[in-house]
Amino acid sequence: AQSVAQPEDQVNVAEGNPLTVKCTYSVSGNPYLFWYVQYPNRGLQFLLKYITGDNLVKGSYGFEAEFNKSQTSFHLKKPSALVSDSALYFCAVRDPGSARQLTFGSGTQLTVLP
Amino acid sequence: DGGITQSPKYLFRKEGQNVTLSCEQNLNHDAMYWYRQDPGQGLRLIYYSQIVNDFQKGDIAEGYSVSREKKESFPLTVTSAQKNPTAFYLCASTGHPGTSAYNEQFFGPGTRLTVL
Repeated sequence: AQSVAQPEDQVNVAEGNPLTVKCTYSVSGNPYLFWYVQYPNRGLQFLLKYITGDNLVKGSYGFEAEFNKSQTSFHLKKPSALVSDSALYFCAVRDPGSARQLTFGSGTQLTVLP
Repeated sequence: DGGITQSPKYLFRKEGQNVTLSCEQNLNHDAMYWYRQDPGQGLRLIYYSQIVNDFQKGDIAEGYSVSREKKESFPLTVTSAQKNPTAFYLCASTGHPGTSAYNEQFFGPGTRLTVL
């Protein structure tokens, strides 16, 4: 079975500072990993994914994530946070052998303080 | 524009009533999914469908039903058997295996259901 953990329900960061939103995963094979963002009362928007290749993945809006196989982590990062980055962030994993596609973490609410 | 539409955006239901949430996609995607979102619990899979006229239960299928008569449509019915239906419901789709769209899920804007 595949699973995802987002250990922080809430992350607060000052505008202009770097931000990190943590994610760890468990999957039997080589994982496909994803980050999505959700604004209030909206659907999820895709940010980035890791399928294979370079462990550092760059995505939308200046976000990036680093795949670390030994630590089974896929933390989301941004060098300089914006107030507009405040939203709910979801990490998701897919076992390529699973027809059920994605398993989502519980989400992390990011608040960027002006 | 290609995308996923969900209607209505807000829906109110009286206890004991069935209600159907609409999900339509014009992305020509094969697979479609329904998720339920509650505060602090992330997304939980209700039902999914890989092809027309076929669907499978997810983790929390009790009290829900679906149909997949057309590729572009995957309506969800919340029945009176669902004991706590108030939630935000999200529909998603993925493309054909072998395409880049197969590895991403594309989401609709959601329907917020409230039981009065």
